[in-house]
Amino acid sequence: QIQLVQSGAEVKKPGASVTVSCKVYGDTFNNYMITWVRQAPGQGLEWTGWISAYNGLTNYGPKVQDRVTLTTDRSTTTAYMALTRLTSDDTAVYYCSIRYCNTTSCFEYWGQGTLISVSS
Amino acid sequence: IQMTQSPSSLPVSVGDRVTITCRASQGIRTDLSWYQQRPGKVPRLLIYAASTLYRGVPSRFSGTGSGTDFTLTISSLQPEDFGTYYCLQDYNYPYSFGQGTKLEI
Repeated sequence: QIQLVQSGAEVKKPGASVTVSCKVYGDTFNNYMITWVRQAPGQGLEWTGWISAYNGLTNYGPKVQDRVTLTTDRSTTTAYMALTRLTSDDTAVYYCSIRYCNTTSCFEYWGQGTLISVSS
Repeated sequence: IQMTQSPSSLPVSVGDRVTITCRASQGIRTDLSWYQQRPGKVPRLLIYAASTLYRGVPSRFSGTGSGTDFTLTISSLQPEDFGTYYCLQDYNYPYSFGQGTKLEI
């Protein structure tokens, strides 16, 4: 069984940076691809990015690609999302998730979400 | 890839047969997933690969489609099915969600 536990809510000022962590409990961390999704208040889901824990390969969503960095730490089985130059538009709940598939089925797990509020 | 869902909201009642559609701006084979999100909750995977029911999801949910046009059907709506539904294309990066369909009483 895999469990994802995210860091707590934060309040930031415009222009600041934030890092959200996602601790993964379960084996074979190196096999996982961790996806980040965010949701602004009252809005839909926005795919934010993806990182391979195996080789660090990343892909970012268009709205954040110039300001986001995804990393992983194999020693602590933790994934990180760093977002810089924050604006009020970045106020959202940020989720990490893992989906992996074997030959017959796929399995998906989500973190509990982290609220990032950007306000002066 | 742009994903367009319709309708954006849908008034429904318990027992209704519900159909939600999702259209991709280009062909995505069957690389499409459907999610349910209840207010204040984490999104829940319902269907992946366009038509494969995720473990534990009731059989009243079904998905069809390939290429650009996809459908999520709930055969008989239950009270716990109210919420917002999203499609997600996982054909190529960056992945993209539809704007959501809210089922309203």
